[in-house]
Amino acid sequence: SAVISQKPSRDICQRGTSLTIQCQVDSQVTMMFWYRQQPGQSLTLIATANQGSEATYESGFVIDKFPISRPNLTFSTLTVSNMSPEDSSIYLCSVSGTMGGTQYFGPGTRLLVL
Amino acid sequence: AQSVTQLGSHVSVSEGALVLLRCNYSSSVPPYLFWYVQYPNQGLQLLLKYTTGATLVKGINGFEAEFKKSETSFHLTKPSAHMSDAAEYFCAVTSLGDTGRRALTFGSGTRLQVQP
Repeated sequence: SAVISQKPSRDICQRGTSLTIQCQVDSQVTMMFWYRQQPGQSLTLIATANQGSEATYESGFVIDKFPISRPNLTFSTLTVSNMSPEDSSIYLCSVSGTMGGTQYFGPGTRLLVL
Repeated sequence: AQSVTQLGSHVSVSEGALVLLRCNYSSSVPPYLFWYVQYPNQGLQLLLKYTTGATLVKGINGFEAEFKKSETSFHLTKPSAHMSDAAEYFCAVTSLGDTGRRALTFGSGTRLQVQP
């Protein structure tokens, strides 16, 4: 399985600011995804990061709030914009060889918004 | 549409006892099913998966799960619990959509406690 790293591992931010989270994979992968895990909750898919084109967002998530980049097959970023305390969550990157295939997860970024 | 139901948000067992974590899925087409484990302050680790073939699948750390189509279930078991098994466990499903396989849908999770 791929080795996935995320930066930062955790952060404390002020409301109204933005944070960009990086996801780096040690090998080229077809699919990259971003999930949110709110405190005590399960994982919710934010979007599929598409290489060289706009991300595909799930219902309830919009590009203005969660802009995503994927410049190549090993790297993606998720920005949480204009943050509020409700954005306090763990944000996880995952990768897969195929849509619907086995997904492997990064360690997550723990975000607290004050 | 696909969905996953995990019965029991918290399960507590004694060390050495049987672990049974329940997962039921909904899918109109053959599913692919997964169990992930999340240890405190860590990401998700794949325990095991079912795609096709043998319905009893074995995973890491002595866990196994059985796909039962008639019951739409994929329960996770381990014969003897260890203290190190204490974690959050997530069941997930993917199935065919109009454009191919969908992204994973996760259940709400089950927190396993192991008592000494």
